[in-house]
Amino acid sequence: QSVLTQPPSVSGAPGQRVTISCTGSSSNIGAGYDVHWYQQLPGTAPKLLISGNFNRPSGVPDRFSGSKSGTSASLVITGLQAEDEADYYCQSYDFSLSAWVFGGGTKLTVL
Amino acid sequence: EVQLVESGGGLVQPGASLRLSCAASGFTFNNFPMTWVRQAPGKGLEWVSTISGSGVSTYYAGSVKGRFTISRDNSKNTLYLQMNSLRAEDTAVYYCAKDRTGYYYWGRGTLVTVSS
Repeated sequence: QSVLTQPPSVSGAPGQRVTISCTGSSSNIGAGYDVHWYQQLPGTAPKLLISGNFNRPSGVPDRFSGSKSGTSASLVITGLQAEDEADYYCQSYDFSLSAWVFGGGTKLTVL
Repeated sequence: EVQLVESGGGLVQPGASLRLSCAASGFTFNNFPMTWVRQAPGKGLEWVSTISGSGVSTYYAGSVKGRFTISRDNSKNTLYLQMNSLRAEDTAVYYCAKDRTGYYYWGRGTLVTVSS
């Protein structure tokens, strides 16, 4: 079981909006640590999608957005495209574990 | 251009040792912490270890503490992961990444398989 909980899968039709949640606790997200989001296409290294809760690195489309509230964070993808089909991971720091932790990952299927 | 290239993976028996390397280029290596992240086949990402830019401070996941040692040679722009007492559950693709968290740069990974 991951310290950060993500839904195993989400899906949406092209053009739709999907939300991927990342639920933590008072020892990680709730403690104020930043949340980062990664996209991983099959057979490739992860790609940083959102850093510091809501910042998009250069080159990431503005269809991707991040937010954080309390002990949870969310990744929202609008205008869903076929190439968005991938695994998505959240990451934060947990002070009780003294470790950087990832969520279990969410597989996005574009219908 | 930042480049991270891992090497040293392979097939080893349980209990054996292996040393991974990550050759870095395109940035001032000793200015940045570096991290190892692994991914077991068909599984999610797992943070393994991080080292400060100077190499003085090191951090480990509980699953590898006492068995793995992270180090770096700033004169060679190279990051290492010494893995001892390997177990089947250490089988994974091992990625090196630049920074302590929020990893913008990743290597392509090197596969470590622990099996008899």
